[in-house]
Amino acid sequence: ETGVTQTPRHLVMGMTNKKSLKCEQHLGHNAMYWYKQSAKKPLELMFVYNFKEQTENNSVPSRFSPECPNSSHLFLHLHTLQPEDSALYLCASSLDRGYYGYTFGSGTRLTVV
Amino acid sequence: RKEVEQDPGPFNVPEGATVAFNCTYSNSASQSFFWYRQDCRKEPKLLMSVYSSGNEDGRFTAQLNRASQYISLLIRDSKLSDSATYLCVVSPLNEKLTFGTGTRLTIIP
Repeated sequence: ETGVTQTPRHLVMGMTNKKSLKCEQHLGHNAMYWYKQSAKKPLELMFVYNFKEQTENNSVPSRFSPECPNSSHLFLHLHTLQPEDSALYLCASSLDRGYYGYTFGSGTRLTVV
Repeated sequence: RKEVEQDPGPFNVPEGATVAFNCTYSNSASQSFFWYRQDCRKEPKLLMSVYSSGNEDGRFTAQLNRASQYISLLIRDSKLSDSATYLCVVSPLNEKLTFGTGTRLTIIP
């Protein structure tokens, strides 16, 4: 375990479903991130939260909705997704933005059917 | 030009050999540099930070060349367990990390 826990590990959902991904860290980190990793592409940053405040939304479609209720928990709410949204969704945390390396969770492998 | 550029490989290297990869970055304001390792279908894990003076961790040596804007990773006496994708990561100070697409390395017995 890395200290960043993501659930579920695998998710299959239909295009009309609503689901949520959960990320939890108890490393005392102040920044949390959602990344998308598709085959043959670099990790794509989706959202950044710093001290619970969203500081970056990287032009992510509104069918992805993040929520950060406290500095230890991060959610990604999903609704009306498309098949091209199928990917590995990774949560990461860091003590501060950028200067320190990130600790990643194991990811949620999402398949949209 | 991509922000972080890596040769995707694959590099197929016999066990015990030395292998090196480079990574170039476009943002001259970059201050933090890392190498991450990602095993198949797993999350990226921090391998090592890269310091201006270069640094070594066991069989792994990382170098930074600011003038030419590249970082390198050298692996000596490669092991089968070194097979993975190696991600180059850069960041301006207190900014988000930017990841390369990774270099795939396979160590052959």
